[in-house]
Amino acid sequence: QSGLTQPPSVSAAPGQKVTISCSGSNSKIGSNYVSWYQQLPGAAPKLLIYDNNKRPSGISDRFSGSKSGTSATLDITGLQTGDEAIYYCGTWDSSLWMFGGGTTLTVL
Amino acid sequence: QVQLQESGPGLVKPSETLSLTCTVSGASISSGDCYWVWIRQPPGYGLEWIGSIYHNGNTYYSPSLKSRGSISVDSSKNRFSLKLTSVTAADTAVYFCARLAGDSFPDTFDIWGQGTTVTVSS
Repeated sequence: QSGLTQPPSVSAAPGQKVTISCSGSNSKIGSNYVSWYQQLPGAAPKLLIYDNNKRPSGISDRFSGSKSGTSATLDITGLQTGDEAIYYCGTWDSSLWMFGGGTTLTVL
Repeated sequence: QVQLQESGPGLVKPSETLSLTCTVSGASISSGDCYWVWIRQPPGYGLEWIGSIYHNGNTYYSPSLKSRGSISVDSSKNRFSLKLTSVTAADTAVYFCARLAGDSFPDTFDIWGQGTTVTVSS
């Protein structure tokens, strides 16, 4: 177990907003940046958010991240069916990198 | 742009050594403050960081490997490799190579290979 906890699944209707949480400890999320990754079915993960709240070039502003204390969140607004994927948070602690267990997003 | 491509056998026998290579194009593996990493994903499970290597050879490994893993860099061929010894069925997974980078510290897996499936079976 990595020590990063995510809900196994979330769901919402098209056009709505969903929030995915990632909780950890002081030495992990509390002390370091969090990144978020999207894994579409059958594909490699793709970077969505880095340094808690920065978007790489080309990532829609429908995706946003934040961090408070030992928890981080990924918000997705204006949900689309193409957003159905597994979302992972990631961080590091003492030269060990880790991922949360992943959250499956279903767009109803 | 920077691209990573995994290669290696898709089938490995139990107790043998799994060997994979990741070829980097579009950037020199020896430049920049980034690490090069291996990550795996067992069927139906999440992502597991295996280990990271810096171009100078410094390495970090997941304790879960119990010292079975080793990562090396071949700067002349702009590639890095993973060896995992004494494999079992639990090592069956999709193996990804990735670049670990960051503005102040390498903490973001910003570029990923497409992944290669490795099955451990006799």
